[in-house]
Amino acid sequence: EVVMTQSPATLSVSAGERVTLSCRASQSVSDNLAWYQQKPGQAPRLLIYGASSRATGIPARFSGSGSGTEFTLTISSLQSEDFALYYCQQYKTWYTFGQGTKLEIK
Amino acid sequence: QLQLQESGPGLVRPSETLSLTCTVAGGSISNISYYWGWVRQPPGKGLEWLGSIYSDETTYYNPSLKSRVTVSLGTSMTQFSLHLTSLTAADTAVYYCATSLGGTFRLWGRGALVTVSS
Repeated sequence: EVVMTQSPATLSVSAGERVTLSCRASQSVSDNLAWYQQKPGQAPRLLIYGASSRATGIPARFSGSGSGTEFTLTISSLQSEDFALYYCQQYKTWYTFGQGTKLEIK
Repeated sequence: QLQLQESGPGLVRPSETLSLTCTVAGGSISNISYYWGWVRQPPGKGLEWLGSIYSDETTYYNPSLKSRVTVSLGTSMTQFSLHLTSLTAADTAVYYCATSLGGTFRLWGRGALVTVSS
């Protein structure tokens, strides 16, 4: 099983700041990496696929990068609606998710 | 607009089998080139893929759960189902049905909370 590790578990930031979330795979997943956002009581929403492609309707302030085993999700200027949980997911070998990073308001 | 909705029991006893159905509104499974799958999330924890099915009934399962999971299509091609056997408290979770394309989960249902308890 490909284990996905996200860091940090929680990130306290202020609106307007730039933030970077990290995701590491236990073995190479090439660019088969997606990012999701989940708000309380809601299903996850796909943000990024193919490590760096934004899904339909996702604002340009969200960007993804990386390949192999190291990936990042960057939000260029945090909006109030961006405070949520973020998960990475690999789809190179079946599908496994990271444990999530919580973005909270500082 | 395509929408998904989970339905099934909210409470199941240990050792029993969970059966959930996902109803597809706004389209037919046979006309859409997606995989149709199930993902669960224990309370306060992360996401776990359970299994997926294609319109030709080809199935794929999480190897760690393969012996307990079955995903199947309904006869109307607007529903697909999840069956999970030998339940324990560790199976308590919100169960989501979702479409996947190219390995990513594009459209999700709202989720159904299932509690395993006697």
